[in-house]
Amino acid sequence: QKEVEQDPGPLSVPEGAIVSLNCTYSNSAFQYFMWYRQYSRKGPELLMYTYSSGNKEDGRFTAQVDKSSKYISLFIRDSQPSDSATYLCAIFSNAGGTSYGKLTFGQGTILTVHP
Amino acid sequence: KAGVTQTPRYLIKTRGQQVTLSCSPISGHRSVSWYQQTPGQGLQFLFEYFSETQRNKGNFPGRFSGRQFSNSRSEMNVSTLELGDSALYLCASRPRQGGTEAFFGQGTRLTVV
Repeated sequence: QKEVEQDPGPLSVPEGAIVSLNCTYSNSAFQYFMWYRQYSRKGPELLMYTYSSGNKEDGRFTAQVDKSSKYISLFIRDSQPSDSATYLCAIFSNAGGTSYGKLTFGQGTILTVHP
Repeated sequence: KAGVTQTPRYLIKTRGQQVTLSCSPISGHRSVSWYQQTPGQGLQFLFEYFSETQRNKGNFPGRFSGRQFSNSRSEMNVSTLELGDSALYLCASRPRQGGTEAFFGQGTRLTVV
């Protein structure tokens, strides 16, 4: 079982729709949660970052974390064709109590928003 | 402020050869990590460098190595290339030792033939 599971999709929605992207994780020690967006032939771009349970909003994007269920979500409101990309959830974990660590990524969800 | 810069963007190598990839982090960032991205395995952590020392390592064979220079620039080396090493290699920089946000470069697309 992978440490971070993400539905790969693909997901196709009409412009203006609300998009829900989800990940589950297995390690309860995970503390820092991120969402990245990756366009074709580009590196991942950091969208949202949070470390506590609850919601965090940034414009049309809302990141939600439920640590009790080990579940993280990204909601996109009023989706636009320019939102078409691969969305990756990522969790930062420390190495042995140090401040060094690594990101563990989900497989990524391919999203297409059509006009 | 310039982002993370990786060179070259594309590389084609033959099995058995070795390759060196370069990464310049965001100015002021001292932590550099490397990741491999493939369609089958997704993004996987290779290693992290801070202050010229490897601080953390992923589960990759010893053919994969790296180093960091005093100006925080980093290089990654893969020796005795195999077909399965074909991937997008991504470098990420973090602003400080305890910072968790990582900013990625465009990547180097390596093709092994």
